Amino acid sequence: AQTVTQSQPEMSVQEAETVTLSCTYDTSESDYYLFWYKQPPSRQMILVIRQEAYKQQNATENRFSVNFQKAAKSFSLKISDSQLGDAAMYFCAYRTSGGSNYKLTFGKGTLLTVNP
Amino acid sequence: EAGVVQSPRYKIIEKKQPVAFWCNPISGHNTLYWYRQNLGQGPELLIRYENEEAVDDSQLPKDRFSAERLKGVDSTLKIQPAELGDSAVYLCASSRAVTGVYEQYFGPGTRLTVT
Repeated sequence: AQTVTQSQPEMSVQEAETVTLSCTYDTSESDYYLFWYKQPPSRQMILVIRQEAYKQQNATENRFSVNFQKAAKSFSLKISDSQLGDAAMYFCAYRTSGGSNYKLTFGKGTLLTVNP
Repeated sequence: EAGVVQSPRYKIIEKKQPVAFWCNPISGHNTLYWYRQNLGQGPELLIRYENEEAVDDSQLPKDRFSAERLKGVDSTLKIQPAELGDSAVYLCASSRAVTGVYEQYFGPGTRLTVT
């Protein structure tokens, strides 16, 4: 079974600075998808960025980028020019690309605080 | 487009009472998911629907939990009777399809407290 590990329960960053959130996963599959979701307090979870495992190029969405290391099974999220609105719980998630198991497997999350 | 709608947003009940959660997915989304998120944890899938068919309910505690998705649109998740350990946030999500990298869109969730 796939597992996702987020080793940083909490992180903090100063506004306008850069922060990196870590995620590792365990799988025997060669093709899969990885996601970072953001969950603000009492608000719904939204997708921040996704990476397809067969793509070597790291995904980028504006101030958000990932460092995908397939061999190391590592998928970190970098947030540049942090803003107060980035404060939230961030979840790393894994999803198989084939077969019949399409559920998202989530890590336990990292609570990000942005200090003004 | 309107997002995934869930109600109620909050529910407090005593143990052994029944409770039901309602979800309206994004229009045109055939796949609907129910997740449970315990405090300090990531969401865990309870059940997945393809249209009106439950195609993955392996994680649903069937002795007390039930779900339905009539006409392949709205869905209801029920717990009867509720136990203290059922206190959690119940999230509904939907996507256009299962295959491919179709994004799952989440609703705001229902926070259940069982006393």
